[in-house]
Amino acid sequence: EMQLVESGGGLLQPGGSLRLSCAASGITFSTYWMNWVRQGPGKGPMWVAHISPDGSSANYADSVKGRFTISRDNAKNTLYLQMNSLRVEDSAVYYCARETYGSGYNFFDPWGQGTLVTVSS
Amino acid sequence: DIQMTQSPSSVSASVGDRVTITCRASQSIRTYLNWYQQKPGKAPGVLIYGASRLQSGVPSRFSGRGSGTDFSLTISSLQPEDFATYFCQQSYSLYTFGQGTNLEI
Repeated sequence: EMQLVESGGGLLQPGGSLRLSCAASGITFSTYWMNWVRQGPGKGPMWVAHISPDGSSANYADSVKGRFTISRDNAKNTLYLQMNSLRVEDSAVYYCARETYGSGYNFFDPWGQGTLVTVSS
Repeated sequence: DIQMTQSPSSVSASVGDRVTITCRASQSIRTYLNWYQQKPGKAPGVLIYGASRLQSGVPSRFSGRGSGTDFSLTISSLQPEDFATYFCQQSYSLYTFGQGTNLEI
């Protein structure tokens, strides 16, 4: 069974940068699209970005485009999210999640436990 | 962007009750609709995908229906472990989640 473990969260000031990591184990990481999803306190999840299995293609939510970069290292079974020019509104728990497929549909399963990012002056 | 609107935002119920939560998309998403359950301090877990397909291991008291813009999640007989927050997600065009429905006693 695949397990995902995020790390790298923390407290930082607006304008700062942070890199999140998501270590995968238990399955062939390199064959799946991978996602970052964030969730602010008391809010619904918000999809942030996803990346293709070979890392050649990525898509981003409009609110993070140009500031965040998703990447992966398949040799290390690790997903990354480089976050620059951070804003207060980027504060959230950040989850990594695998895109899973069934009967032609895709959904997120499993998810990691999340890592907290707090942006505050 | 496709917007997802859930209702109600909160619902009170008792063990054994039948509960239905609805989700509306701002445009047709055919049946590209997933439902997740989230408990405090945990990541969401998928219950239903493709509007009506039950994820492996999920109890049969959970069911989903709908297509186009209107969808629903029904729990036929609430169990104590079902008190949680539920989110819908469209996977028709990238991904958007609803704002959640808190199911409480």
